[in-house]
Amino acid sequence: GDSVTQMEGPVTLSEEAFLTINCTYTATGYPSLFWYVQYPGEGLQLLLKATKADDKGSNKGFEATYRKETTSFHLEKGSVQVSDSAVYFCALRPLARGAGSYQLTFGKGTKLSVIP
Amino acid sequence: NAGVTQTPKFQVLKTGQSMTLQCAQDMNHEYMSWYRQDPGMGLRLIHYSVGAGITDQGEVPNGYNVSRSTTEDFPLRLLSAAPSQTSVYFCASSYSAGNTIYFGEGSWLTVV
Repeated sequence: GDSVTQMEGPVTLSEEAFLTINCTYTATGYPSLFWYVQYPGEGLQLLLKATKADDKGSNKGFEATYRKETTSFHLEKGSVQVSDSAVYFCALRPLARGAGSYQLTFGKGTKLSVIP
Repeated sequence: NAGVTQTPKFQVLKTGQSMTLQCAQDMNHEYMSWYRQDPGMGLRLIHYSVGAGITDQGEVPNGYNVSRSTTEDFPLRLLSAAPSQTSVYFCASSYSAGNTIYFGEGSWLTVV
């Protein structure tokens, strides 16, 4: 079945450091790929998405590129802020008919802490 | 713009008690689902619905019951709570396949 693997955390960075959170997936066909963010004590928010190979999703300074050849969707940000401290989840949604196309498969999450 | 609303946000239950987590959306979404989030496990799908009167099981359905009598509401029932059901529960909805899935703010449940 489908699966998502993301780098283990926690990750601790100093403010203005470069961030990469690795995410690779296993799925048939061309799934849609997502990054969700969960700030402390809050629910999940969609951060960015990509629906086809070579698409780049971007939002709030974060970027991720859909790489079909490496089955990856790594999250990057050039200069992190304290306010970026959160748990980040990589997820996929299969390209399927019916109910399967509604469902997300999540990675285990990566906790990021940014220190001043 | 309410989006996906979950209640309660926090709940403590005793083993064996039953309760219902409420979920409502005001976006006329046909698809709704429940996930649970456990440390180191990510989110796992419990049950989902593709429309009023239609529900199906996800990855971890045991101990939970759902119904979908209206488009707006999708309650999750714990029939006899167990400590293993201590978790954070998220409701989600989507207008249709291929559209963005929106999440509620979560319900923190502790079973003692």
